[in-house]
Amino acid sequence: TQLLEQSPQFLSIQEGENLTVYCNSSSVFSSLQWYRQEPGEGPVLLVTVVTGGEVKKLKRLTFQFGDARKDSSLHITAAQPGDTGLYLCAGAPTDSWGKLQFGAGTQVVVTP
Amino acid sequence: EPEVTQTPSHQVTQMGQEVILRCVPISNHLYFYWYRQILGQKVEFLVSFYNNEISEKSEIFDDQFSVERPDGSNFTLKIRSTKLEDSAMYFCASKFEGYRLTDTQYFGPGTRLTVL
Repeated sequence: TQLLEQSPQFLSIQEGENLTVYCNSSSVFSSLQWYRQEPGEGPVLLVTVVTGGEVKKLKRLTFQFGDARKDSSLHITAAQPGDTGLYLCAGAPTDSWGKLQFGAGTQVVVTP
Repeated sequence: EPEVTQTPSHQVTQMGQEVILRCVPISNHLYFYWYRQILGQKVEFLVSFYNNEISEKSEIFDDQFSVERPDGSNFTLKIRSTKLEDSAMYFCASKFEGYRLTDTQYFGPGTRLTVL
């Protein structure tokens, strides 16, 4: 089983501050997805990164896939209370035809 | 925008009873998945399904579990004899592409299963 470690587990910041969430593994993934999950709901896809070194931007969110495709980060600029939520990374192992391996998630709380 | 739907949203059952969780994947998708999330824990892979057969399953997916695509739209997960530890959120997911490099899966809202 390829483990994905997310850090930190919990992050509380003030509105307007920046934050970074990390997702690390000792194994290589063919792709990695970032999801956001609200309590009692399913994960909602934010982005998929595929190529080592790839950087994708969605408004104030920047996602990076490590060169070796073992790690990823999510950076939020000027966080807003609406960014509050559980952020999950999920990797597709190279030896699998589709199952996703999830990290435990990072709970982000942005206070006004 | 197309989305994965799941029914029921909440299922309460007695231990030992059979339950069937239903999912309608996105219509042009080819690969289907079930995951579960026990309260406070990670989302865990259960099974993947392609071309009317299981393509991969986890250790959790034992003989008590089965999946079926009974028609062109529904995808079901059956638990034959539920146990207390089966209580969890069950998520259905689907994806279109078959290639590893674009493993984007779209998740349904989940069914909360409570076994008493």
